Amino acid sequence: GENVEQHPSTLSVQEGDSAVIKCTYSDSASNYFPWYKQELGKGPQLIIDIRSNVGEKKDQRIAVTLNKTAKHFSLHITETQPEDSAVYFCAASIDRGKLIFGQGTELSVKP
Amino acid sequence: DGGITQSPKYLFRKEGQNVTLSCEQNLNHDAMYWYRQDPGQGLRLIYYSQIVNDFQKGDIAEGYSVSREKKESFPLTVTSAQKNPTAFYLCASSISSRGSSNGPQHFGDGTRLSIL
Repeated sequence: GENVEQHPSTLSVQEGDSAVIKCTYSDSASNYFPWYKQELGKGPQLIIDIRSNVGEKKDQRIAVTLNKTAKHFSLHITETQPEDSAVYFCAASIDRGKLIFGQGTELSVKP
Repeated sequence: DGGITQSPKYLFRKEGQNVTLSCEQNLNHDAMYWYRQDPGQGLRLIYYSQIVNDFQKGDIAEGYSVSREKKESFPLTVTSAQKNPTAFYLCASSISSRGSSNGPQHFGDGTRLSIL
């Protein structure tokens, strides 16, 4: 079955710097890749997603890139702010069905 | 406001008891999901349902049971057969399109279950 690996597990950046979180997946049939942000004591919130027919998608300070050949996708956050501090999860699925999640990255943005 | 409501936020269970976690949504979504979250392991799928009166096992269904009698409700029962039930449980829902891809999944704020 599908397996998703996420790195790094923790990431600390200075306010204003960029942050990059990387994920790899194993099932070449996966075609949908969402990213979720989870704050303490809350459920995950969808922040951006990408389908396999697109190589890159951007929404203000957040972007996701996908390399289907390498089975690799990444989350890029520019101009980080303290409120970006949270745990971020990547996931993969086929046709937005069962989601297989990565292990999570705890991002800390220091003022 | 439309959304997914999980209750209670905190739940305690004695050894050998069954306990039921509630999940209600007013988004008119067909599909609903239950995930378990443990520290450092991400989210793992327990059960999911694409339509009323139908549900399928996820990757870690042992020791759990569900029902889907109404479109807006998908309760999860943690049975005494679940050996390590302490975890954060998350419910999600999405639009379901048979023959096409589902909509994105949206999550509730979870129930934290602890064993006394």
